[in-house]
Amino acid sequence: EIVLTQSPGTLSLSPGERATLSCRASQSVSRSYLAWYQQTPGQAPRLLIWGVSSRATGIPDRFSGSGSGTDFTLTISRLEPEDSAVYYCQHYGSSTWTFGQGTKVEIK
Amino acid sequence: QLQLQESGPGLVKPSETLSLTCTVSGGSISSSSYYWGWIRQPPGKGLEWIGNIYYTGTTYYNSSLRSRVTISVDTSKNQFSLKLSSVTAADTAVYYCARVVRGWYDALDMWGQGTMVTVSS
Repeated sequence: EIVLTQSPGTLSLSPGERATLSCRASQSVSRSYLAWYQQTPGQAPRLLIWGVSSRATGIPDRFSGSGSGTDFTLTISRLEPEDSAVYYCQHYGSSTWTFGQGTKVEIK
Repeated sequence: QLQLQESGPGLVKPSETLSLTCTVSGGSISSSSYYWGWIRQPPGKGLEWIGNIYYTGTTYYNSSLRSRVTISVDTSKNQFSLKLSSVTAADTAVYYCARVVRGWYDALDMWGQGTMVTVSS
């Protein structure tokens, strides 16, 4: 079973800055079964990115995903106040869905 | 617009069985394009996948919960359900139901609002 490790644990940045979130898999991810979610307090997670780099419906283009193998990145190009949230990566493989532990993004 | 809504008791006693239902509205649960799943989140912690079901009844479970979990589907009611047996305080969490898109590399694109379940006597 693949384990996903996200870093950093917390990211504190100012509006307009670029945020780079990392998700590292314990084994190489086959094909493109890697997604990213955003969760704000008291809300359900929201799908941002699927298939490593495809934005979900209605997601602003300041969110982008990249990576391959064991290293994946979610980039928020210009932070907005509403981007304050916890971000999770997720993998599907061998009939198992796995989540990373999350990265908290704080807006100063 | 598709919506998912969890329902069930908010309080369950230790050693008993937790039972939740997810009602799907605005779309059919019998579509070949989707799986339907359960995910939970203990207070202040991250997300844990519990299991998924296809409309045919095929199930996929988290290996750490497999011995206690049963997920079923009722296509006539457009619902799917979760049963978790022998619960302990560690099963206290917000439980979400969600839709998995097969064509989107099995990402979870639609989520219910979640329901808090507390295990306590």
